[in-house]
Parts: sequence; C-alpha cells; structure tokens
Amino acid sequence: IAGITQAPTSQILAAGRRMTLRCTQDMRHNAMYWYRQDLGLGLRLIHYSNTAGTTGKGEVPDGYSVSRANTDDFPLTLASAVPSQTSVYFCASSRTSDIGELFFGEGSRLTVL
Amino acid sequence: AQSVTQLDSQVPVFEEAPVELRCNYSSSVSVYLFWYVQYPNQGLQLLLKYLSGSTLVKGINGFEAEFNKSQTSFHLRKPSVHISDTAEYFCAVRLYTGGFKTIFGAGTRLFVKA
Repeated sequence: IAGITQAPTSQILAAGRRMTLRCTQDMRHNAMYWYRQDLGLGLRLIHYSNTAGTTGKGEVPDGYSVSRANTDDFPLTLASAVPSQTSVYFCASSRTSDIGELFFGEGSRLTVL
Repeated sequence: AQSVTQLDSQVPVFEEAPVELRCNYSSSVSVYLFWYVQYPNQGLQLLLKYLSGSTLVKGINGFEAEFNKSQTSFHLRKPSVHISDTAEYFCAVRLYTGGFKTIFGAGTRLFVKA
C-alpha cells in the first residue's frame, strides 16, 4: 500500500542523546513536512521541504534539523534530545507545496528522560 | 496573525444522534479549509476539504461541512454518528503568506456512546 513509512514507531531516549526519526514516502510527492503533536496544542510544524534539495523552518524548529537528499526520504534529527521534545512526531507529504491536502504517516512516539 | 479555534475540546454524544464540531479561523488572506480525522494510534487522514465552489462539502463516512465566509467558520456535521466515529478531529486552514502553510486547530475528541 502506497504511503508514508515512519521509524521507529516508539523510542525512549536519554537526554543528551542524538536521535534520527526516519520518514519515507512512495507517492512521489514534492513536499514533505515534520509535525509534533502535543495534547491541547494540535499539530505544530517543525520543518518542511517543498522539493528535494530544499528545506525550511516551521513554527517550532529549535533543536531539530532535517535534510532532503531525494524525493522519498525526509529524516528528522534531534542533535541533543531534551525532555521537552517528548512528543508524537508525524511525517506528512503533499503532492505539491501549494493547496494540496496532507498525507500522514502513523507517527513516532518519542520519550526523552 | 492567523489562527484556528476548535471551540470544543471534547464532544460526547450517543450513537445515532447528530453531531456538530465547531471550527472558526482568523486570517487576513484567502484560505483553503480541511477537516482531518485521527483514529487511536494512527496518523491523520483527510475527511473533507473546501478549496472553492459550493460552500457545502461532503466527505467520507457521511460527514459534511459548510464554509461560512462571513462568520469565518467551517463546522463539521454528521446527522447520525456511529461508535466507529469515535476519534480526534482536526480543523486546518492552508493559506499563503510568502509561502503556503497549514495551521491546525487543537483538535476535538468525539466520543460516541452506545
């Protein structure tokens, strides 16, 4: 089934450790996004990429970095995890970067102790 | 500044009863409107969208929503809910401010009781 694959599904991490959340899509969508979901706050955009080779900062980018070496992959890296980064992370894509709907992965639950 | 407000954080309702989930937005530019549904331990999936044309849009699973420009609202309705509709529902607007971005509301948890 076509869609977005995220890994890992769940992870517990010690503060200060480096962590990369993986995201792969097979829909050949141009745009990809990383959101974090926290109770009562909805989804907040961390970083985005309108097309391979380009990235941009979203609403809450501090402490996170991304890369977009090709169309399919969009990894999110926490260089030195902190407890406030405990959240559920969703990768999403859209066919284009304009008015299109978003397609979501199943999420990665990250706990930083 | 642009924002999306979902007026109810939780909505309990009995099975086969009608439901309305309310969404208001604030924006100085034109918007495209979406409702997404999130079932437990899953990602969000599109329920319906308004891009242009008729202000009443129909989505999957019997849901519909009406865009009211004067009231800046996009309320979601279903005439008769099922237990399987229990989920979190997110209203979202997509707009252009030097680049396109999507703003989500905080979500409304719909709980359907037997």
